[in-house]
Amino acid sequence: AQSVTQLDSQVPVFEEAPVELRCNYSSSVSVYLFWYVQYPNQGLQLLLKYLSGSTLVESINGFEAEFNKSQTSFHLRKPSVHISDTAEYFCAVRGTGFQKLVFGTGTRLLVSP
Amino acid sequence: DAGVIQSPRHEVTEMGQEVTLRCKPISGHDYLFWYRQTMMRGLELLIYFNNNVPIDDSGMPEDRFSAKMPNASFSTLKIQPSEPRDSAVYFCASRGVNTEAFFGQGTRLTVV
Repeated sequence: AQSVTQLDSQVPVFEEAPVELRCNYSSSVSVYLFWYVQYPNQGLQLLLKYLSGSTLVESINGFEAEFNKSQTSFHLRKPSVHISDTAEYFCAVRGTGFQKLVFGTGTRLLVSP
Repeated sequence: DAGVIQSPRHEVTEMGQEVTLRCKPISGHDYLFWYRQTMMRGLELLIYFNNNVPIDDSGMPEDRFSAKMPNASFSTLKIQPSEPRDSAVYFCASRGVNTEAFFGQGTRLTVV
């Protein structure tokens, strides 16, 4: 079975500051890793994913995440956040050969001016 | 493609009533998932289908919940009878063999 831990339930940050949202996972098999973003009253949208290959993956809006197998982590980072990045961010894992996508509890990113 | 379509977006019902949530997955996707989101428990997988066949329903909370997928373009999640603790946002998601999961906008259910 797979599990995901997002230790930070809420991360307040000022606009243009850097941010890191932490994600650790547990799995007995190889994994695929995902970050989803949820804006208020919306569904979840895929932000970025790691399937294989380069351990550093990037999104089109400036977020990046690095897969670290030894630390079983997939932290999400952005060097300079915008007000519009305010949302809830979910880390998710799926074991290779499995179909279930297991989510963490989410981290609410609050960007203030 | 319009994405995963869920209806209704909001549902308010009285305790004891039957509730049916609907989902139209993305055309060509082989997998369909039903999730429930609450403040207390986060995102929970209730059940998923592969090629219209239920594969794992271990997340369905109790017998009051049932899900069907009569064809590749339609699925329902039914709660009968509904209870206040069923109040949550219910998401449907679909996925192809080699794609990530795409989520619908969700149905916000309130049972009073």
